[in-house]
Amino acid sequence: DIVMTQTPLSSPVTLGQPASISCRSSESLLHSDGNTYLSWFQQRPGQPPRLLIYKISNRFSGVADRFSGSGAGTDFTLKIRRVEAEDVGVYYCMQAKEFPRTFGQGTTVEIK
Amino acid sequence: QVQLVESGGGVVQPGRSLRLSCAASGFTFSSYGMHWVRQAPGKGLEWVAVIWNDGSQKYYADSVKGRFTVSKDSSKNTLYLEMNSLRAEDTAVYYCVRWGESGVTLDYWGQGTLVTVSS
Repeated sequence: DIVMTQTPLSSPVTLGQPASISCRSSESLLHSDGNTYLSWFQQRPGQPPRLLIYKISNRFSGVADRFSGSGAGTDFTLKIRRVEAEDVGVYYCMQAKEFPRTFGQGTTVEIK
Repeated sequence: QVQLVESGGGVVQPGRSLRLSCAASGFTFSSYGMHWVRQAPGKGLEWVAVIWNDGSQKYYADSVKGRFTVSKDSSKNTLYLEMNSLRAEDTAVYYCVRWGESGVTLDYWGQGTLVTVSS
């Protein structure tokens, strides 16, 4: 199985400042079809997860443009340009290259 | 709008069975594959199972293989998860999730249903 490792596990951020989360996979997520299947999810307190980013850098419908994804191969990053109060929660990366799908441990974003 | 509503959770004794349902609306259910993802209390996300849009293929996490069965009834727009030989470690919120198209994976999530396995 592909192991997904996120850093940091906790990220205290000042409102209006940027935040960055890293995700590393144990093997390349580049699929034979040419796509790299790395997604990011946000889970606000008490809510189900919601999709933010798919295929490294594509924002899902309705996602604010302060969220951006980047990376390639085995190293990926989620950035929040200027953190707002509603961004508090846990963020997960997930590989969708193969089954079983696997998630990172989650990174908690909290306001300082 | 896409809606996924899970039901069937509850408290069950170890070794017993439970069936979860997920009622889908707002999209052509027969055209989409569907996943189950679970989250133990205070823990992270764990993928459980997937079924192809036409039911032709299914995959499971090793932790549930041989005990859980995923199925879908497109005439009822409903996804199921049959869970047998339940263990304490199966205690979790179970989410029904749509497999998006064009590489958009896990695009819409239900609110989840809590399964507690305890004597």
